[in-house]
Amino acid sequence: EDKVVQSPLSLVVHEGDTVTLNCSYEVTNFRSLLWYKQEKKAPTFLFMLTSSGIEKKSGRLSSILDKKELSSILNITATQTGDSAIYLCAVDRAGGTSYGKLTFGQGTILTVHP
Amino acid sequence: SAVISQKPSRDICQRGTSLTIQCQVDSQVTMMFWYRQQPGQSLTLIATANQGSEATYESGFVIDKFPISRPNLTFSTLTVSNMSPEDSSIYLCSVKQGATEAFFGQGTRLTVV
Repeated sequence: EDKVVQSPLSLVVHEGDTVTLNCSYEVTNFRSLLWYKQEKKAPTFLFMLTSSGIEKKSGRLSSILDKKELSSILNITATQTGDSAIYLCAVDRAGGTSYGKLTFGQGTILTVHP
Repeated sequence: SAVISQKPSRDICQRGTSLTIQCQVDSQVTMMFWYRQQPGQSLTLIATANQGSEATYESGFVIDKFPISRPNLTFSTLTVSNMSPEDSSIYLCSVKQGATEAFFGQGTRLTVV
């Protein structure tokens, strides 16, 4: 059975800290790994990773995929209170009946205190 | 990126009743999905909404409980039938075009009392 596991499940930091969120996966026919930020209801897209070792960056956020270790990390530097959210990792599979379906991890609840 | 309008945004319903959630996309999309997020949990796929044919349900979800329609490539509905408090969740529609990222509607927060 496909599995996506995130750690830690929750994290409390102060503004300015740097955080690293982890995601590991066991899926068949892996195509890509995606990171989302969920503040209220709708997850908003952060990154999609398909190739190992290539860092994707957007402002203070960055992410990288390690296909050998079947894992990914999401880094947030100089955290702000607006970064407080649930961060979701999901895996997309290629082909067959799983085409387009995402399997999500449990999420990491990040709380940033002023 | 697709713009998705989902409604209602939230609702409080009596047990035993049904609620239909609508999802409208601003462009034609191949794949539409419905997810559920129970309190404190992550997203779980309910079904794939297929245009012109019956939806494809994931293990643990059945058509009688969650009937889905998809009359065209821009619109879908999910009905939560004969609701119980255990159905209290956020319901999300999602669209995907090929190997791109998935986009989500604003979500419907359902509370069953």
